[in-house]
Amino acid sequence: GEDVEQSLFLSVREGDSSVINCTYTDSSSTYLYWYKQEPGAGLQLLTYIFSNMDMKQDQRLTVLLNKKDKHLSLRIADTQTGDSAIYFCAESRYSSASKIIFGSGTRLSIRP
Amino acid sequence: GAVVSQHPSRVICKSGTSVKIECRSLDFQATTMFWYRQFPKKSLMLMATSNEGSKATYEQGVEKDKFLINHASLTLSTLTVTSAHPEDSSFYICSASPQEGLNTEAFFGQGTRLTVV
Repeated sequence: GEDVEQSLFLSVREGDSSVINCTYTDSSSTYLYWYKQEPGAGLQLLTYIFSNMDMKQDQRLTVLLNKKDKHLSLRIADTQTGDSAIYFCAESRYSSASKIIFGSGTRLSIRP
Repeated sequence: GAVVSQHPSRVICKSGTSVKIECRSLDFQATTMFWYRQFPKKSLMLMATSNEGSKATYEQGVEKDKFLINHASLTLSTLTVTSAHPEDSSFYICSASPQEGLNTEAFFGQGTRLTVV
């Protein structure tokens, strides 16, 4: 079946790197996403990676995919207070125009 | 980027009444829209896929008579929570994509927080 799992909470010091981990079970997942949700707001797509890629970097964000272990991670370099949010890992079989399965979300809090 | 607007952003209603939530794609046409429900401190659960001009496809466990979906045009989908009860209180969010196929991005509305009292 389809299942995406993440830890619920992560606390990091401002300026450090944050690493949010995710595991998924559907081996036919084609697209893997990271979304950000700020309090009371909708979802913002941060980045996505195709299942045939190992890594994708976009400014402070680095996504690593281990397809063999079905493990996805999001690294945020130089974490800032504005990065405080819930981060959702998600996957879909085709494109985002199709059904997206979300993880439970990881609440990232930043301490001074 | 493309904009998806949801209305209302917050609504409080009495038990037994019905509530309609609108999801509009403001600057693109969307043949398919998706409705999600988010419980407090939980993930987003896909409720249904809304298809323009045809019946919605509901996920397992979602009551179609309870959550009525109408996709009357290429820019508007509505979700009506019928005979609402306190357990229907939740955050409802929709998404839409400009087109089918690869390399498309789903754009999410800002969500609607429903409180049934």
